[in-house]
Amino acid sequence: RKEVEQDPGPFNVPEGATVAFNCTYSNSASQSFFWYRQDCRKEPKLLMSVYSSGNEDGRFTAQLNRASQYISLLIRDSKLSDSATYLCVVNRNNNDMRFGAGTRLTVKP
Amino acid sequence: DVKVTQSSRYLVKRTGEKVFLECVQDMDHENMFWYRQDPGLGLRLIYFSYDVKMKEKGDIPEGYSVSREKKERFSLILESASTNQTSMYLCASSTNTGGVGYTFGSGTRLTVV
Repeated sequence: RKEVEQDPGPFNVPEGATVAFNCTYSNSASQSFFWYRQDCRKEPKLLMSVYSSGNEDGRFTAQLNRASQYISLLIRDSKLSDSATYLCVVNRNNNDMRFGAGTRLTVKP
Repeated sequence: DVKVTQSSRYLVKRTGEKVFLECVQDMDHENMFWYRQDPGLGLRLIYFSYDVKMKEKGDIPEGYSVSREKKERFSLILESASTNQTSMYLCASSTNTGGVGYTFGSGTRLTVV
């Protein structure tokens, strides 16, 4: 079983839709959590950190459920430019990061 | 802006060649990492380093070695390239403050023929 699991998708949604991705992790000692965005043939870039209290950045909302060991990312009012692969990342400790394989999102006009 | 620079964007090498992939960061980060990324498998950690001259094996170190002689530079070496090492190689760096994400280089797409 992979340490970080994501639905690979693809998720194909129309512009303006709301879409949610989930991610589960197996190491209960994991300390910090992130969502990264990766465009085709580019490097991953940090989208947002995920806090226990949940956090929001514009149209993006991230949530963490430690008891159930899952993380979610909600994108509201999807834009064409949101099309990318979204990587769930879990920091076990001391910067030992584990990456999910990514969820591909395509937003269509 | 933190910058992580990888020396080559695309590289084609022959089987059996010794290959050097260079990575330089300009923000005085303590930690540096080498990953490879393959479709469906995500990013897999090859080697990492928390300090100069220090290195630790990641999940898939076989066939690779690394060198960190200076804080800003972390090199990945393929001792004898093989076709199953064809992949996208990503270097990343981070600080020791914890809870902070990585910054990645733009990647090197290596093809071994």
